[in-house]
Parts: sequence; structure tokens; C-alpha cells
Amino acid sequence: SQTIHQWPATLVQPVGSPLSLECTVEGTSNPNLYWYRQAAGRGLQLLFYSVGIGQISSEVPQNLSASRPQDRQFILSSKKLLLSDSGFYLCAWSVLGRLTGELFFGEGSRLTVL
Amino acid sequence: DQQVKQNSPSLSVQEGRISILNCDYTNSMFDYFLWYKKYPAEGPTFLISISSIKDKNEDGRFTVFLNKSAKHLSLHIVPSQPGDSAVYFCAASAGGRDDKIIFGKGTRLHILP
Repeated sequence: SQTIHQWPATLVQPVGSPLSLECTVEGTSNPNLYWYRQAAGRGLQLLFYSVGIGQISSEVPQNLSASRPQDRQFILSSKKLLLSDSGFYLCAWSVLGRLTGELFFGEGSRLTVL
Repeated sequence: DQQVKQNSPSLSVQEGRISILNCDYTNSMFDYFLWYKKYPAEGPTFLISISSIKDKNEDGRFTVFLNKSAKHLSLHIVPSQPGDSAVYFCAASAGGRDDKIIFGKGTRLHILP
């Protein structure tokens, strides 16, 4: 069966510090991978999505970046965090080509920038 | 520009009654719609979906209705149970290889005893 894991689960970082959130998927190949953020009053905002290794599409201009160094690994990074980067970050995967359109989410990572 | 809109931030429904959550979309290219349920500090979980070729899909207590001409869909939960208290997200996809799935802001459902 397929599983998705992301870490760390919680993170408290000072403004201006770097960020790295990791996500891995097991039990499937060639998944679409996504990073979403849930911020207060903003719902689930799509940040990045990837259809393959090294292929990243950015949805929202920001100081965040994403990378996909391996087929089932997706990393969210920042060189310098802003206060507005605080939120609940969710990694997700879906079947390439969308047989069902369903997204499978990880447990989430709570980031607090102070 | 919000392509998927959930205009009610919250909704309170008596246990046993019907809960109706609404969603509007603006992109006519969307052809697949999904509802997700989310508890605090957890990732969303898939509830039910509907393709644009249908106008209704039912799964147990959950039914999703799609009105393409109005660009509107709704989720009906009957009967509502205490465990249904959560945030519900409407989502839509236009398909293609990119397969972006766009979410609304969510509606918090409170089931009252």
C-alpha cells in the first residue's frame, strides 16, 4: 500500500533562518507531488507541484522553493524565512495522469516563524 | 483570483439533520470535483468526488451534486453525526498531465448535540 510521510511535524524558526521540509512517498512510482499551505483564512493554497524528477511548477510568488531530487522525494525550502511563512504545510501525491483525481496527504508540518 | 469559492466559513447543524455545504467555481475547464474533510493538525482526507459528466454521486451518507450551468456543487451529509464536525474543502481539477488540484478556503462544520 502507498504511504506518504513528511517531517518535521512541528518547527519553530526565527525570521531570516533557513527552512527544509521533506516528504517521501512509498509504494508507488512516478507520482505527482504537491506542496500546499494552510494559513489562517486562506484555505489550502497550492505552492508547488511536480510531475517528475527535477520538474517543479510554482503557483505563488514567494521566498520558498521546492526540489524533487528523486522520484518519490519532494523538498520545500527557504533561504530566509518571513513571518508570513508561518502555517501548516502539507505534502500530497496523486497518480500521474489522474485516474481518480484524488490527492493523498501527509500528516502536515506546523511551521511557526518568530 | 479565487477559482474555487466556499462562501460560508462555518455552518452549524443539529445532529441527525442534513448538512449542506456549498461550493462555486469560476473556471469552466474544471472537469473533476472533490470534497475533502480535515481535522485539526491532520492532513485532509478524501471524501467523495464527481466527474463533470455526472450531476450526482452518492456514497453512504454523503452525496455530491454538480450543476455545471451554474458552476456550483454541493455536499449533502445525511444524517449528520458528531464525528462529521470538521473543516470541509471543495476542490477542482482541469485535468491534463499537470493535474493541479485547486482548493477552496473551506467551511467549518459544527454538529450540535
